[in-house]
Amino acid sequence: GQSLEQPSEVTAVEGAIVQINCTYQTSGFYGLSWYQQHDGGAPTFLSYNALDGLEETGRFSSFLSRSDSYGYLLLQELQMKDSASYFCAAGGYQKVTFGTGTKLQVIP
Amino acid sequence: NAGVTQTPKFQVLKTGQSMTLQCAQDMNHNSMYWYRQDPGMGLRLIYYSASEGTTDKGEVPNGYNVSRLNKREFSLRLESAAPSQTSVYFCAIEKSGANVLTFGAGSRLTVL
Repeated sequence: GQSLEQPSEVTAVEGAIVQINCTYQTSGFYGLSWYQQHDGGAPTFLSYNALDGLEETGRFSSFLSRSDSYGYLLLQELQMKDSASYFCAAGGYQKVTFGTGTKLQVIP
Repeated sequence: NAGVTQTPKFQVLKTGQSMTLQCAQDMNHNSMYWYRQDPGMGLRLIYYSASEGTTDKGEVPNGYNVSRLNKREFSLRLESAAPSQTSVYFCAIEKSGANVLTFGAGSRLTVL
């Protein structure tokens, strides 16, 4: 089976940097992806790491270490609109399993 | 949510009633998924389909059936709805091997 753990809540100040961690236990692991979900909305894809290292997409970066079964999402220059839930997801053969999500609150 | 259309968006059922949630895509992807999301929870996989005509159980398949009659459509059926099936249901599609999902807008189901 697959399980992913991430903090349930994080609070950060507008303009700051925040890191959301994810540890996973999986079989047949292909890569780690991140999704953003605003209240009442659908998850939307942010980033994907198939290989170890850092992937950068604008203000968002994601990191993967396969040897540590660990990844993180880094959000820079936080904006109020970044307040949302963030999910890590482990990709495998014909299956994608999600963590329970981290609710990020950005405060002024 | 361009490319993935879910119907209905909202539905209220009484315990024991049946209904089918519909999902259609226009992105020609092979893999399609049904997830449920309960308040404050992550997404739990109900069923998935790697290609037309094939389906497999996910984490929480009990009480559900699915049908993938063609590449475009993947339906989820509740034969006898229970209050525990009150949830938001998301359909998602995946380009083969990419592990990147595109979600529909969701279907909010309440079972009384």
